[in-house]
Amino acid sequence: AQSVTQLDSHVSVSEGTPVLLRCNYSSSYSPSLFWYVQHPNKGLQLLLKYTSAATLVKGINGFEAEFKKSETSFHLTKPSAHMSDAAEYFCVVTYTGGFKTIFGAGTRLFVKA
Amino acid sequence: DAGVTQSPTHLIKTRGQQVTLRCSPKSGHDTVSWYQQALGQGPQFIFQYYEEEERQRGNFPDRFSGHQFPNYSSELNVNALLLGDSALYLCASSLRRPGANVLTFGAGSRLTVL
Repeated sequence: AQSVTQLDSHVSVSEGTPVLLRCNYSSSYSPSLFWYVQHPNKGLQLLLKYTSAATLVKGINGFEAEFKKSETSFHLTKPSAHMSDAAEYFCVVTYTGGFKTIFGAGTRLFVKA
Repeated sequence: DAGVTQSPTHLIKTRGQQVTLRCSPKSGHDTVSWYQQALGQGPQFIFQYYEEEERQRGNFPDRFSGHQFPNYSSELNVNALLLGDSALYLCASSLRRPGANVLTFGAGSRLTVL
């Protein structure tokens, strides 16, 4: 079955330190991969997407993610966390020509001052 | 350029009632998808509409139905509400062509069933 696994339900970092949010997906022909962020009581905002171009994808607000086919991973990173990064992050996979999406369970990022 | 707009933002219903949620897609988008996000969980795909027809459906009962209008706006209807239907309902729009599968989300409609 198609699935997306976010390996950590919660991640806590100090402001100014690196962020790593992990995501693994079940293998499929040419998946499209996304990271979305959701701030409290808000809708989801696209951070970045991978669609079979460069394996290192740069997104908004200094985030980037690397697609590793051999590991079926698409981890999200940021060199230096900011207080405003505190939110829920979702890894998302799109299959079957882009007409069905699967969300991971989410990772809550806490940023300490 | 307006993004995705949803209404109402909040509503309270009682068990057994029916509810209709509305969504206007981002300008230029022709596809609308609906998601249910229970508290503390990720969004679950309900269904997707394109050309006024349901094209894909997730694992939701027939109590959940929808409609898409010629102007691409959409409605989500839930009949015979259960307590477990309490959730944030998210609408997302996109353009239905290869490589254009980025979803733009609305802020959601929070439904509370008492």
